[in-house]
Amino acid sequence: EVKLVESGGGLIQPGGSLRLSCVASGFTISNFWMTWVRQAPGKGLVWVSHIKNDGSATSYADSVKGRFTISRDIAKNTLYLQMNSLRAEDTAVYYCTTLVISSPIDYWGQGALVTVSS
Amino acid sequence: DVVMTQSPLSLPVTLGQPASISCRSSQSLVHSDGNTYLNWFQQRPGQSPRRLIYKVSNRDSGVPDRFSGSGSGTDFTLKISRVEAEDVGVYYCMQGTHWPKTFGPGTKVDIK
Repeated sequence: EVKLVESGGGLIQPGGSLRLSCVASGFTISNFWMTWVRQAPGKGLVWVSHIKNDGSATSYADSVKGRFTISRDIAKNTLYLQMNSLRAEDTAVYYCTTLVISSPIDYWGQGALVTVSS
Repeated sequence: DVVMTQSPLSLPVTLGQPASISCRSSQSLVHSDGNTYLNWFQQRPGQSPRRLIYKVSNRDSGVPDRFSGSGSGTDFTLKISRVEAEDVGVYYCMQGTHWPKTFGPGTKVDIK
């Protein structure tokens, strides 16, 4: 069975840091451009970051560039999102996903809620 | 960034009746490889998004055939031939042709 399970969310003060983890099972993350997508409360979906399938490149939305870092551990089949200098506007559910655009496979996790508030 | 717009943003429908959602992009979504990377997602209340359609008109595994996608260039449509209660939720289009991938604002479908 394919699963993506995020963890590491929570309540954090502005300026703080959190690291989200996404453990994959049933498939190998190195076969996909793994992606983080976020959804602020009551709002739509926004692409945040991805890491190329071979790990050679990463990309970030302008809103998080310089503050967030995506990485992965192939041995643990786990994707990460290190989030630093958090702001209130980073409050959202963060989804780990393959976000495939061209083939009949696409996986999403259940999401991890990050709340940035004092 | 490519801006995706959807209409309507709210769509009350009668069970058993058809429904249609329009999605427009600010630039052509035809990729240099000849493909058009336009996906549709469904997000039921309290759930994660689920992809329904990829590359304009290809249905994902397990997606009922009452869902269909069509369109080209900058104009796309998701149709539900006969709405069922389980179709309630928010529907998003997403383009994957241009960096960064961008989503439409979502269309909320509920039952009249």
